[in-house]
Amino acid sequence: AQSVAQPEDQVNVAEGNPLTVKCTYSVSGNPYLFWYVQYPNRGLQFLLKYITGDNLVKGSYGFEAEFNKSQTSFHLKKPSALVSDSALYFCAVRDGTNDYKLSFGAGTTVTVRA
Amino acid sequence: DGGITQSPKYLFRKEGQNVTLSCEQNLNHDAMYWYRQDPGQGLRLIYYSQIVNDFQKGDIAEGYSVSREKKESFPLTVTSAQKNPTAFYLCASTGSVGKLFFGSGTQLSVL
Repeated sequence: AQSVAQPEDQVNVAEGNPLTVKCTYSVSGNPYLFWYVQYPNRGLQFLLKYITGDNLVKGSYGFEAEFNKSQTSFHLKKPSALVSDSALYFCAVRDGTNDYKLSFGAGTTVTVRA
Repeated sequence: DGGITQSPKYLFRKEGQNVTLSCEQNLNHDAMYWYRQDPGQGLRLIYYSQIVNDFQKGDIAEGYSVSREKKESFPLTVTSAQKNPTAFYLCASTGSVGKLFFGSGTQLSVL
């Protein structure tokens, strides 16, 4: 069975400081990993994905994520957070050697204070 | 404009009633999904379909049913067997590896 864990319910940072949102995963095959963001009263938006290749993936809005196979992690990062980054962030995983089942984590609420 | 349309935006269910949530996409995507969103529990997978006339149970399929008779449509029925149906329901689709496109969601409440 595949699963995703986001160990932090909330992350609070000051504007201009680095932002990290943690994610660990479990799959039996090769992982396909994703980050999505949900802004208040809006749908989910795709940020970035890792399928294969370079372990550092760059995505939308200045976000990036690092795939670490040995630690089964895929943490989301942004060097300098903005107040507008305040939102709910979801990590998701799919077993790349299996079917299209895509599982999400419980989400992490990010609050960036001015 | 291409996208995913969910309707209605708000839905109310009476005790013992079945209700159907609509999801239509014009993105020509093969795979479609239904997720349930509850506060603090993230998105939980109800059902997914990789091709027409085929679908698989997700992690919380009990009390729900789906059909995939057309590529564009993937309706979800919340049956009376689902004892706690109040939640935000999201439909999504993908045509390739990964990137899901989501609808705007349906908020289901019990009267």
